[in-house]
Amino acid sequence: NAGVTQTPKFQVLKTGQSMTLQCAQDMNHNSMYWYRQDPGMGLRLIYYSASEGTTDKGEVPNGYNVSRLNKREFSLRLESAAPSQTSVYFCASSPLAGGVTDTQYFGPGTRLTVL
Amino acid sequence: AQKITQTQPGMFVQEKEAVTLDCTYDTSDQSYGLFWYKQPSSGEMIFLIYQGSYDEQNATEGRYSLNFQKARKSANLVISASQLGDSAMYFCAMREDAGGTSYGKLTFGQGTILTVHP
Repeated sequence: NAGVTQTPKFQVLKTGQSMTLQCAQDMNHNSMYWYRQDPGMGLRLIYYSASEGTTDKGEVPNGYNVSRLNKREFSLRLESAAPSQTSVYFCASSPLAGGVTDTQYFGPGTRLTVL
Repeated sequence: AQKITQTQPGMFVQEKEAVTLDCTYDTSDQSYGLFWYKQPSSGEMIFLIYQGSYDEQNATEGRYSLNFQKARKSANLVISASQLGDSAMYFCAMREDAGGTSYGKLTFGQGTILTVHP
C-alpha cells in the first residue's frame, strides 16, 4: 500500500517549457488535490477533484491545468513554465467528497525549478 | 485577514519535555475542522491530529494532543515527551464548511519550525 505517489521527485525546466506532474493513490479515495508550497507561505490549493470526472479551481489556478484520468490518477500540467512557478508541488487525496472531517493524505512532493 | 495564524516561526525544546505550538484561526462558520501536519526535513507532509468544531473533547493521538479553545479560536498542538525525531516544521490547517462552497479546501498557516535538543 504505497499511499500517494508522485513523479518526478525533482525537475528543472527552462522558461516556456511544458511538463506534467503525475500523481496516483491506491487508497480508493474519492477526492484528490494539488497544492504548491512556497517559502514562508504554507501550502496553497491549485486545483482539486472532488470525484472522478470533476475538477475545480483552487486558490492559485493560473498557469496550470489538471486531468482526473480515473479514480486513482490526477495530473497537473504546466503548459508554459514561468520562474514564478518554481515551488514544491504536493498531491493529496481524501476518502470523502468534502466535509469538514475529511482528512487529506499527502504525497512526497515534487521540487520544481524553472530557470 | 489571515485565516490561520501561527505566531511562532521557531520553537526549541529539550528532549523529553513537552512543547506547545500555537495556532489561532478565523472563521464565521459554525462547522469546521482543524488539522495539524508535520513536515520533516525530508519534505513529506504527515497528518498528525484532527479536531472538529463540534467535538466536545480535545483530540489526542499518542503523544499529540490538541488544546482546543473554541471561544478564543485557538487550536494549539501539544507534544509530550519530545523526541529528537519530532524536529520538523508543523502546520496548522482548517477546513470550513461555508455552506458547502469551500469544498475540499484546506487553508494552511505558515508553519512553526520545532527543534528538539538532546
